[in-house]
Amino acid sequence: DTEVTQTPKHLVMGMTNKKSLKCEQHMGHRAMYWYKQKAKKPPELMFVYSYEKLSINESVPSRFSPECPNSSLLNLHLHALQPEDSALYLCASSQQRATDSPLHFGNGTRLTVT
Amino acid sequence: GQSLEQPSEVTAVEGAIVQINCTYQTSGFYGLSWYQQHDGGAPTFLSYNALDGLEETGRFSSFLSRSDSYGYLLLQELQMKDSASYFCAVRADSWGKLQFGAGTQVVVTP
Repeated sequence: DTEVTQTPKHLVMGMTNKKSLKCEQHMGHRAMYWYKQKAKKPPELMFVYSYEKLSINESVPSRFSPECPNSSLLNLHLHALQPEDSALYLCASSQQRATDSPLHFGNGTRLTVT
Repeated sequence: GQSLEQPSEVTAVEGAIVQINCTYQTSGFYGLSWYQQHDGGAPTFLSYNALDGLEETGRFSSFLSRSDSYGYLLLQELQMKDSASYFCAVRADSWGKLQFGAGTQVVVTP
């Protein structure tokens, strides 16, 4: 069990669909992250939110749209995805962005784009 | 560019000791972390070194030499449940971004 909860666990979507991934943490962390992980590869950073403001966008295509409605929630809106976007999407949080505090990861959403 | 090098796979028997090395070349350096990830699971934090030396947490220890741009994770008294991927990660800038290595698959055999 992790303290970062992601839903759904699995998602299959077509290239014309719109879907959202959700992430929640109640540890009082002020930094939240989206990572993408392909099989047998390390996590790749997509977005970082600090105090509910987007502070890092790693040149992610606009078909991925993050949102941080409040300090506990993080969403990733998906639209017009490509099959190569199929991956494990991991949410993480940490006490603050630029500190030595470790990342706490959720179990991820396994996304398949057909 | 920035790079982290770690072995792709290590196999060892139960009860053995395994050392996973990580060498890094990054534009900046604030600290070296280690994460464990079981198949189908979330990465979980194991240890962090910002200063040179050895940090010990139970069966796992981590070492850092900043002058050599090198660190390692030591897994002692290996157990079957230690079979997993282990990632080193460097915090290379003040923004807190982590750069992950490619990961080392540790296989523990009976």
